[in-house]
Amino acid sequence: DSGVTQTPKHLITATGQRVTLRCSPRSGDLSVYWYQQSLDQGLQFLIQYYNGEERAKGNILERFSAQQFPDLHSELNLSSLELGDSALYFCASSVGRDRSYGYTFGSGTRLTVV
Amino acid sequence: EDQVTQSPEALRLQEGESSSLNCSYTVSGLRGLFWYRQDPGKGPEFLFTLYSAGEEKEKERLKATLTKKESFLHITAPKPEDSATYLCAVGSGGYNKLIFGAGTRLAVHP
Repeated sequence: DSGVTQTPKHLITATGQRVTLRCSPRSGDLSVYWYQQSLDQGLQFLIQYYNGEERAKGNILERFSAQQFPDLHSELNLSSLELGDSALYFCASSVGRDRSYGYTFGSGTRLTVV
Repeated sequence: EDQVTQSPEALRLQEGESSSLNCSYTVSGLRGLFWYRQDPGKGPEFLFTLYSAGEEKEKERLKATLTKKESFLHITAPKPEDSATYLCAVGSGGYNKLIFGAGTRLAVHP
């Protein structure tokens, strides 16, 4: 157990729907990062939050949004889902604003859009 | 454009047969070179961070080295439990984003 908790582990939904993925960072970690891993694209950085504020944005689609709450857990919202959004979504956390010492990944949420 | 390329895509070894995985990168302002291990259905597990050319780090049967344009992950006398996908990533620009390579799938057979 890495200490980063992601729920749900699996999610199957239809095109056009909206889903929310949840992440609880490791105790004491203030930064949360979201990554998407698909077969053809590898791990792609989506977005980072630090202590409730957005810190960095990657190739995140406008249909996707995220936030970090006062208790430091984070949610990734995916809307108007398309077949191509099927992927593994990972959350990672680190203590500081940056990941100089490497950050800790959760086990991921496997999203299947049908 | 920042880029990370890993080779080979897949590697099959016999138990005890040492080998090396390669990670070549082009990045504007390297802010660390990271190695992760990923088992099927799990999140990547952090192994090493390297910051400057010439730096080396070791952990059990794994040794990571860094030059100005590439990094190697040497696996000495591997065991079946070393079978996994090994991911290389670089930090660039700001301190936030990691750019990952596609990974090397390693299979070690008894």
